[in-house]
Amino acid sequence: DTAVSQTPKYLVTQMGNDKSIKCEQNLGHDTMYWYKQDSKKFLKIMFSYNNKELIINETVPNRFSPKSPDKAHLNLHINSLELGDSAVYFCASSLTSGKNGELFFGEGSRLTVL
Amino acid sequence: GNSVTQMEGPVTLSEEAFLTINCTYTATGYPSLFWYVQYPGEGLQLLLKATKADDKGSNKGFEATYRKETTSFHLEKGSVQVSDSAVYFCALTSNFGNEKLTFGTGTRLTIIP
Repeated sequence: DTAVSQTPKYLVTQMGNDKSIKCEQNLGHDTMYWYKQDSKKFLKIMFSYNNKELIINETVPNRFSPKSPDKAHLNLHINSLELGDSAVYFCASSLTSGKNGELFFGEGSRLTVL
Repeated sequence: GNSVTQMEGPVTLSEEAFLTINCTYTATGYPSLFWYVQYPGEGLQLLLKATKADDKGSNKGFEATYRKETTSFHLEKGSVQVSDSAVYFCALTSNFGNEKLTFGTGTRLTIIP
């Protein structure tokens, strides 16, 4: 009964391929995020959606395209994968009207680009 | 812009030692401050928070006090356990309702028996 679930947990692929990571939350939250964590554990926000509307779009290559079909789902599609895309990608969610700043994270999706 | 600076890791302590992980911040307005913890193989979890100056957040024996005069939010625990081994992230947000958290670089803590 996971609150924020991501699939797949591990993804190994070749450079140039296109891949997607899916995220779903069952907490009734209205805001969802994608974060990228590099090998040194540095965590950086990529995107945020509130009620399916994009509200944060940090400086991310346009090879990365998020999609939110509804407020419980936020998927991340990556085109033309590069070696530097190797990282752990975390999905998170929050309730904007609730506790300020409390995000609930998924377990992460480790992407390895060969 | 907002930024968070944490002490460099890794930090290795013996069980029952006293822990301090330093965190200072730069932000506009009056940010809320947080400590998140990431256990091995898991996502981040909120450990504690403080939303205004002089507030003290506490949870699981950890404490941190929001010090506006020194722009700091240091994490402390009186007696650490092996199970506290994790990566600790200091974070802040200054946008209520648009909860863009700015994270520090994380501090890896290892407790040895």
